[in-house]
Amino acid sequence: GAGVSQSPSNKVTEKGKDVELRCDPISGHTALYWYRQSLGQGLEFLIYFQGNSAPDKSGLPSDRFSAERTGGSVSTLTIQRTQQEDSAVYLCASSLDNGEAFFGQGTRLTVV
Amino acid sequence: AQRVTQPEKLLSVFKGAPVELKCNYSYSGSPELFWYVQYSRQRLQLLLRHISRESIKGFTADLNKGETSFHLKKPFAQEEDSAMYYCALRRNDYKLSFGAGTTVTVRA
Repeated sequence: GAGVSQSPSNKVTEKGKDVELRCDPISGHTALYWYRQSLGQGLEFLIYFQGNSAPDKSGLPSDRFSAERTGGSVSTLTIQRTQQEDSAVYLCASSLDNGEAFFGQGTRLTVV
Repeated sequence: AQRVTQPEKLLSVFKGAPVELKCNYSYSGSPELFWYVQYSRQRLQLLLRHISRESIKGFTADLNKGETSFHLKKPFAQEEDSAMYYCALRRNDYKLSFGAGTTVTVRA
């Protein structure tokens, strides 16, 4: 049984480039969450999906950030024109509606 | 809106001493509260949830709706309890929000 899988594990990109982060949730999980984990900042909520819909996008830091989920499964978080302050670990989690949230291992993004 | 507050960023205790991690929340609905833990080089994982009312690894947490708190307690800390702990709140619409986290160090 596979858990939540994120790719890539590490990404180094140049300032100004676009990046795509992928999350494969546990099969059948209806809810999918994206968070950003920075040193000293805890877990910052970005966006969550119920099926393919995103009821709450309030955590996206700017219009450079977007996310989509297709087929009620895979989700992609896209950051356009990356900035150094985007450097962080991006975490994905999935759950059944009333169930425990299971986390991926994260994608460590470094913008140079 | 909802908010989860963990006032302590760092907590250091000696092995065998009690440990308490504070968590306060604000939410107008009926929330579900959780504690998640992240051990070094491991994924974030569930420690316990208030509806289960069970003790995991010696930890307990009681939801106090009057004080809007969900503090995590363990009477005798062990070195393997050293980790980052996050309090979390899930709203009625399933949005899951976390506090800033508390890093616990248990010294021998």
